[in-house]
Amino acid sequence: DAGITQSPRYKITETGRQVTLMCHQTWSHSYMFWYRQDLGHGLRLIYYSAAADITDKGEVPDGYVVSRSKTENFPLTLESATRSQTSVYFCASVQGGSGEQYFGPGTRLTVT
Amino acid sequence: DQQVKQNSPSLSVQEGRISILNCDYTNSMFDYFLWYKKYPAEGPTFLISISSIKDKNEDGRFTVFLNKSAKHLSLHIVPSQPGDSAVYFCAASGGAQKLVFGQGTRLTINP
Repeated sequence: DAGITQSPRYKITETGRQVTLMCHQTWSHSYMFWYRQDLGHGLRLIYYSAAADITDKGEVPDGYVVSRSKTENFPLTLESATRSQTSVYFCASVQGGSGEQYFGPGTRLTVT
Repeated sequence: DQQVKQNSPSLSVQEGRISILNCDYTNSMFDYFLWYKKYPAEGPTFLISISSIKDKNEDGRFTVFLNKSAKHLSLHIVPSQPGDSAVYFCAASGGAQKLVFGQGTRLTINP
């Protein structure tokens, strides 16, 4: 399917475990982003990528790692999950030259 | 420090009336502003945007107003419809394609 997809849609993990959230887009957009949505905070940028092999920190990067070996994929890894990382995670992409980012459906992550 | 603020967590409006959602920002380097709409269990979807060189942009029932001197923007929905019930996020961009989002306002349209 064309567009931007995220997997899994729901995930429950335990404190200390490593977990990877996947994001895939079919538009060949240059830019990709990871956000977390928390009540009272809206959407906060975790990491972003301007192109393959180019990534940079956003507002709340601590505890997260990203990679982008291919333009279409932008996985987000929680190296040692903590309860404070319980959130809804959104991936987004944009070609560049336009601010209209396109969002995936989200992954609801619960850390117990 | 919250650079983009939506001070109303929720808003309830009668169907057919006007809905006005507000957003304030502090960073004068922002030059592009957007509104996103979000339904439960879905990702945000783009609604309307405005460049800092304009003070108004209209798209059907949706109009965004920008007051640069007050660092304030608003989204007007006329007439409001039940399908407009959602969470609305304003966002601002100052370059590098990055967006800074407000906290969101939950709009409920009552029949």
